[in-house]
Amino acid sequence: DTEVTQTPKHLVMGMTNKKSLKCEQHMGHRAMYWYKQKAKKPPELMFVYSYEKLSINESVPSRFSPECPNSSLLNLHLHALQPEDSALYLCASSHATNNYGYTFGSGTRLTVV
Amino acid sequence: KNEVEQSPQNLTAQEGEFITINCSYSVGISALHWLQQHPGGGIVSLFMLSSGKKKHGRLIATINIQEKHSSLHITASHPRDSAVYICAVSRGNQFYFGTGTSLTVIP
Repeated sequence: DTEVTQTPKHLVMGMTNKKSLKCEQHMGHRAMYWYKQKAKKPPELMFVYSYEKLSINESVPSRFSPECPNSSLLNLHLHALQPEDSALYLCASSHATNNYGYTFGSGTRLTVV
Repeated sequence: KNEVEQSPQNLTAQEGEFITINCSYSVGISALHWLQQHPGGGIVSLFMLSSGKKKHGRLIATINIQEKHSSLHITASHPRDSAVYICAVSRGNQFYFGTGTSLTVIP
C-alpha cells in the first residue's frame, strides 16, 4: 500500500458545526502532516506529527485541532470555522528521519457556509 | 523572498513540444521534490532528487546542487500533462514550496 487516504473527499459544514477530517497511511511512515491550500496558491503547512507527537504547529487557530491516535492515522478536528477556512486540506506522510517517500493524499475539499 | 522560486509561472505549449520548468532555491536542502496537481485535485509526487538526474516515462528531472537549481522536462507533451507543477525542497520536517507553474498543453 503506497497511498495516503483522506476522507471525506468533500465536506460542507456550517460555522457552528463540529466535524473531523481523517487521514490514513500504511506505509510505516512516522511523520504525518496537515496542509491547507487555497486556490492557485501553494500548500501551507499547518501541523507536523513525528512519532505520534506534535512537532510543528504553524500558529494555526485553535478551531483546528489535530490528533494522531496511532502511527497510521491522523485526524483534524474542526469546530466553529469561518468561511475563509474554506480550502483544500491535504495530508501527507514520510519517513520521519529523512523525508523519504513523501506522499500526499488527494485532499478534502472543505466549504464553510 | 521565497526560499523556492519557479519559472515560468504560466506556460502554454502545443501538443508534442518539449517543455522545461525551472526551479531555484536559496536554502540548504536534504532533497528537492517535483509535484503535480491537476485542477481541484490532490498532489502527486513525481520525483524526489538529492543529486543528478531521474527519468520516469516522458518526465526527466535534474538537479545541480552547487548552483541550487533544478529543471523538470517533459518530452512529447500531451494535453493530459496540463496541470500545475510545483517544486518543493525539504529540510528536516520542513517543506518549502514554490508557487507552481501552470502548464496548459493544447491539442
